[in-house]
Amino acid sequence: AQSVTQLDSHVSVSEGTPVLLRCNYSSSYSPSLFWYVQHPNKGLQLLLKYTSAATLVKGINGFEAEFKKSETSFHLTKPSAHMSDAAEYFCVVRSTGGFKTIFGAGTRLFVKA
Amino acid sequence: GAVVSQHPSWVICKSGTSVKIECRSLDFQATTMFWYRQFPKQSLMLMATSNEGSKATYEQGVEKDKFLINHASLTLSTLTVTSAHPEDSSFYICSRGGVLADIAATNQPQHFGDGTRLSIL
Repeated sequence: AQSVTQLDSHVSVSEGTPVLLRCNYSSSYSPSLFWYVQHPNKGLQLLLKYTSAATLVKGINGFEAEFKKSETSFHLTKPSAHMSDAAEYFCVVRSTGGFKTIFGAGTRLFVKA
Repeated sequence: GAVVSQHPSWVICKSGTSVKIECRSLDFQATTMFWYRQFPKQSLMLMATSNEGSKATYEQGVEKDKFLINHASLTLSTLTVTSAHPEDSSFYICSRGGVLADIAATNQPQHFGDGTRLSIL
């Protein structure tokens, strides 16, 4: 069975400082992992995805994530936070066969001026 | 640009009425689309998988008669919340897979609609 754990329900950073959103997963097979962002009352936007190619994945808006198989982690980072980054972030794993998408509980990012 | 269009974006209605939400795939004929529900400050919960030309597949605990799904064409899936009550108030989001949606390819990201905020008074 597959699962996703987002270790922090909320993260608060100051503008211009680094962002780290943590995600651990469990999967019997090589997983496909994604990070999505959701702004208030909006749908979801794909930030980046890992699909067994390069372990360091670069996404949109300056975000990147590193797949670490030994740690079963896929943490999302950004060197410098912007106010516009304030949103909910979801770590997602696709199940074997890709039919079912499993969402983490989400991490709300607050960015202080 | 958007590849999934969801309508309406916001609905407020009285208890007991039925509400229909539309989800359109704009650039691809999707035989499979997905419906999610999101409670405030919570993650997304898959409700059902909409299959074109056949019955939807519902997740455990989701009432089939309450949440009617119709996937009559390759570009349109609808979710009807029947006899809605305040506890049905939620944020509903639809999605489809990537270009290889029919295969539900593991490495294809899903594309989501902007969601529908449903408020039942």
